[in-house]
Amino acid sequence: ETGVTQTPRHLVMGMTNKKSLKCEQHLGHNAMYWYKQSAKKPLELMFVYSLEERVENNSVPSRFSPECPNSSHLFLHLHTLQPEDSALYLCASSQGSGANVLTFGAGSRLTVL
Amino acid sequence: AQSVTQLGSHVSVSEGALVLLRCNYSSSVPPYLFWYVQYPNQGLQLLLKYTSAATLVKGINGFEAEFKKSETSFHLTKPSAHMSDAAEYFCAVSDGNTNAGKSTFGDGTTLTVKP
Repeated sequence: ETGVTQTPRHLVMGMTNKKSLKCEQHLGHNAMYWYKQSAKKPLELMFVYSLEERVENNSVPSRFSPECPNSSHLFLHLHTLQPEDSALYLCASSQGSGANVLTFGAGSRLTVL
Repeated sequence: AQSVTQLGSHVSVSEGALVLLRCNYSSSVPPYLFWYVQYPNQGLQLLLKYTSAATLVKGINGFEAEFKKSETSFHLTKPSAHMSDAAEYFCAVSDGNTNAGKSTFGDGTTLTVKP
């Protein structure tokens, strides 16, 4: 499979649950990212992994915990979330330079009850 | 530092009419500029990008954009709208010295196409 694949596409969880979002890319890219997209808000960059090292954490609450076990996989572990965390979570990958294009997955739609 | 302003959060056109989505940017270094499109329940996908090779950039689905340095603009156009063009469009700017993921995105413009 090519491109960036995200699973699950939809997730409903309670505030006390623990769940994970998964992202996989087979494009040979060396950087992967998590974004949060909420209604009526700009796209928010959450985490940046470059060569499997986390290079950026944009003041994201600790209830979101990323993991990058290898260059093809990225996880976002979720625990004790709040209703305001309900959003579309997008994974993307690229070669590192800013001249390069971001390739996005289809997103995981998260609803926190 | 860089920023992007998309003028008009909603644009509505009739099928067959010209599409014009506006994007102005600011950047302290020569910019790389992108337009992405997002269809409902999907991620963003690249329409076109400007990387200084040519000021008029052609993309997929008949879209094109012109880089105008004097106006710091990168407006997206399509001569004739199709119903399938209804989506949200994002302009983004980055520089070659930072990671692609740190591109700055505009707030998006929702395009509606009326029959």
